[in-house]
Amino acid sequence: GQQVMQIPQYQHVQEGEDFTTYCNSSTTLSNIQWYKQRPGGHPVFLIQLVKSGEVKKQKRLTFQFGEAKKNSSLHITATQTTDVGTYFCAGGGGSQGNLIFGKGTKLSVKP
Amino acid sequence: DVKVTQSSRYLVKRTGEKVFLECVQDMDHENMFWYRQDPGLGLRLIYFSYDVKMKEKGDIPEGYSVSREKKERFSLILESASTNQTSMYLCASTGILGYGYTFGSGTRLTVV
Repeated sequence: GQQVMQIPQYQHVQEGEDFTTYCNSSTTLSNIQWYKQRPGGHPVFLIQLVKSGEVKKQKRLTFQFGEAKKNSSLHITATQTTDVGTYFCAGGGGSQGNLIFGKGTKLSVKP
Repeated sequence: DVKVTQSSRYLVKRTGEKVFLECVQDMDHENMFWYRQDPGLGLRLIYFSYDVKMKEKGDIPEGYSVSREKKERFSLILESASTNQTSMYLCASTGILGYGYTFGSGTRLTVV
């Protein structure tokens, strides 16, 4: 079936270092979305990318959607302790129109 | 602010009990979802509904059923709870299928 693979599963960084998580789909996606889940919290929608090659920024976060609409990345510049959490990508275009979630990348930031 | 509200944050139930998890959204969304979240397995879709009284099976529907009698409310039912259903259950909704989901705070269910 359709899958969205997300790597790495875990990432430990020193505060101030950069962080990147990657998503790869086995099929072309209609859109890609990113969510953040703080420890003990629930996933919160961050952003959606729809166009091939699209790049969007939110302060220190940069989101990219690949040209083939099969991969995406989230890059955080100069991580802060407030960035701690699990970042999920989710691809649109799954069966019955649902999102296909990656398993997430858990980010820890050492002060 | 839009909200998806799950009735309980924590629940402890006994094996064999019938369990009801309630979810209410105030955004007039047509589409509602139930996921379970387990370490290392990510979010797995149990059931979803795209309209009142409509329901569709997700990836792991076995042992669960759902009810959607009103647009704002989507209930997940564990017919006979088992220990392997111990998990975090997350409800979500969206106005457009396949677009940004709003999640509830989750119900952490423990079956003993």
